[in-house]
Order: sequence, then structure tokens, then C-alpha cells
Amino acid sequence: QAVVTQEPSLTVSPGGTVTLTCGSSTGAVTSDHYPYWFQQKPGQAPRTLIYDTSNKHSWTPVRFSGSLLGGKAALTLSGAQPEDEAEYYCLLSYSGARPVVFGGGTKLTVL
Amino acid sequence: EVQLVQSGAEVKKPGESLKISCKGSGYSFTSHWIGWVRQMPGKGLEWMGIIYPGDSETRYSPSFQGQVTISADKSISTAYLQWSSLKASDTAMYYCARHLLGYCSTATCNHYYYGMDVWGQGTTVTVSS
Repeated sequence: QAVVTQEPSLTVSPGGTVTLTCGSSTGAVTSDHYPYWFQQKPGQAPRTLIYDTSNKHSWTPVRFSGSLLGGKAALTLSGAQPEDEAEYYCLLSYSGARPVVFGGGTKLTVL
Repeated sequence: EVQLVQSGAEVKKPGESLKISCKGSGYSFTSHWIGWVRQMPGKGLEWMGIIYPGDSETRYSPSFQGQVTISADKSISTAYLQWSSLKASDTAMYYCARHLLGYCSTATCNHYYYGMDVWGQGTTVTVSS
């Protein structure tokens, strides 16, 4: 069964740019995996930022964007704000018995 | 405004049963899948399963099949997650989320795809003797 991998932690300076990635043990991540990205701040429920690789919800800050990069799904934050400090999770869809798999999460520090 | 409001925190003993709820509002409850995600203390998110309230079709992760029951009462726009015999390892935060589900049918893609848009606030379940 697939394992979805993310960087355990990343640090970005205020106003800086950072890219979080989401890989799959089965091979390259493509749009066929319909990647999602979620933000979770301490003590809060997750919030959906990106769906289907690169689509944003009405509540998604403009500084977040999703893409495919080097065989992985990617979430890029351009112009990091202190309030962006959070855990970020990706989600991929697969064929087979385990159709939905979350990544382990990336703890993003804005410092 | 689309909202999912979950029931309050629960403290139970091993072996007890439990049913937690998630009430949807601001949208057509019977026309959207709704599901559950577990987060154990200090850990990541795990997809448990979903239900389509319109016809009660359910889909479970293999990890949770047989361990929990997902149900819904469309007359009151509420989904449920139920245990018949709790274990200490069920201690976790449980989130409901409205799901978006589709099917891709191309030369390279033939499977269902899933995602979530709106989340409930979470229900803490503590199982301890």
C-alpha cells in the first residue's frame, strides 16, 4: 500500500518563499492523484487550502499555490506571514483498497 | 454558510460503546458525501471512511473496516461515528468533513478520487480505565 511522504519540518523567514512537497512510494505524483493540501494550526481543525493539485477555495490566501514539481505535489507559500506557522498535510487518491492516504505532515516554522 | 458542528468531548471506559455526531447545515446534506478523520494525540491525520446520506452508501478505509460504523440520519442532517467496544487506542480527536468525490476515467486514471472542503471542529474521545 502507498506511503505518502512529506518533509517533517521546514523553516521560512517572514516574507520569504518556501515549497513543501508530497511524494508517493508508488512513483511520481501526477494530477491523477488529485492532490489536496490542508493547514492545521495548534488546537484547531484542519482547513483545506488546495484541491485537485492547484485549485484554491474562496478562503485560501493568495500567497498559497499548488503545483506538480519534480514528480511530487508541491505547496508553495510566497511571502510567508507569522500566521502561516502551522502543520501542513497533503492527501493523495489511489486505485485499490486504500483509496485515500494522508502524508505525515510538515511542521512549518516562520522565523 | 456551510457548517459542520460536532458533538462534545467524551470520556469513556474500555469496552463501552459510543456514538458521536456531526450535524451539517447550509447545504444539501443528502447530496454530499461526509466522512471521518482520526488524529491520535500528537500524530497526523488518518482517513477512516465516508457515507453518502442520500442512500447511506458507505466506504471504509481497510484500517477501520469492522472497527467502527459510519451512519447518517438525513432527516436531521446528521452523520455518526460509532464504536461498539472502545479500546484505549481509540483515544483521539475525530473530525468530520464534507467530502468531494469523483471518478476519473482516462487512459491513465481509473479510480475514485476523494477530498474534503469543510471540516467540523472535532470531537475528543478519551478512553481510559
